[in-house]
Parts: sequence; C-alpha cells; structure tokens
Amino acid sequence: GIQVEQSPPDLILQEGANSTLRCNFSDSVNNLQWFHQNPWGQLINLFYIPSGTKQNGRLSATTVATERYSLLYISSSQTTDSGVYFCAVPPDNYGQNFVFGPGTRLSVLP
Amino acid sequence: DAGVIQSPRHEVTEMGQEVTLRCKPISGHDYLFWYRQTMMRGLELLIYFNNNVPIDDSGMPEDRFSAKMPNASFSTLKIQPSEPRDSAVYFCASSPGEGSRSTEAFFGQGTRLTVV
Repeated sequence: GIQVEQSPPDLILQEGANSTLRCNFSDSVNNLQWFHQNPWGQLINLFYIPSGTKQNGRLSATTVATERYSLLYISSSQTTDSGVYFCAVPPDNYGQNFVFGPGTRLSVLP
Repeated sequence: DAGVIQSPRHEVTEMGQEVTLRCKPISGHDYLFWYRQTMMRGLELLIYFNNNVPIDDSGMPEDRFSAKMPNASFSTLKIQPSEPRDSAVYFCASSPGEGSRSTEAFFGQGTRLTVV
C-alpha cells in the first residue's frame, strides 16, 4: 500500500519563527489533507489540497503531486500552533478513506 | 452543522466488558469512517461506510470488534469483550461523497477508551 512519510518528526520553535513541514508519499494521489491535532486531541482540518498552493492566514500549503510531496508552511508561529501535524492521502485513486503519515510534533515556545 | 459528534468523550471499563462508541456524522455526508489512534500504530482506519453500507472492514482488528450504521445519522462501534490492548482514542469522521471536495474528511472529537 501507499507509504506516507513526514519530516521532521519533532520541531521546537521560538514564538515568531517560521517553519516548513514536509510530507512525502510513495504513489500518485488525487487528494491530500493536512490536519492539526491540538494538545486536547482534536483533529482540525487545515487544508484539502490535491495540488497547487493554498493559503489560510499564517498557514499555507503546496502539493506537487507529480513529485509526490506536499509542504506546510507556518509563518510567525504562535504557541497555539503547538501540536501534531498530519498529512493524509487516499490508499489509491479510488479510495475514499485516508492513510495518515506519522506526524510532525511541533512545540512553539513563548 | 455541529460537525461530527461522538459519545462518550471518555470511557473507562474493565477487561471483558462490552463497550459501545457512538457517532453522528455531518448531515448530508455519504461516507462515515472509524479510525483508531495509538502511540504504536498512529492513526489507522478500522472500517468505513458508504450510504450506511460497510465498504471496507479490513482494518477491524478481530471478531471482538463490530460496527453498524442503521441509518444515515448514526453509527456504533462495539467491542465485546474488551481487552487492555484496545485502549486508544477512537475517531469517527465523515465526508460528503459528492462535489469538488467529495473526499474531504471531518473528524469528531474522539472517544478516549481505557480498558483496565
């Protein structure tokens, strides 16, 4: 089945810093989602981004499907950005479910 | 819409007892998913339904686990008998199934299950 890798596994930032999280996947995909799991465990949708670039406030994401990766950019990080960031892709071009990467754990220090 | 609603939020039970987790998907969504999150295995799919019909249950660990979706607005995941290794956070999610963002999944807040 499809393999999803995320890097780095852990990231510690000072408040105000910028960061880039990466998601690599082993096969072509027709959609991709980024989620933020906050310290209370809730999974929050960030982006639904099969290809191209999207921006939402301080966050933006880019997916290059032909090269099998996606990037999540966090600018001017805040302590509330702490948590685990997951990317998720379908198992194949027909699947409705998602296969999750292992996540990047982000800690933003005040 | 209130989003995907799961209950209970926390469940502590003794080994051997039956546990039932409940989920109400977003109204109008055709797909419903049950995922489990553990430290060792991360987030993994257990089962998903399309229009109340189970489509893929290959992730269900064993016969102790069962899931039903009697109607479009309700699903249950049952574990009988429960074991300590079932301790995890169980998430329910739903997706529209139609439109340009047909597969965009929305998650409930999860049920943290502890089996002692």
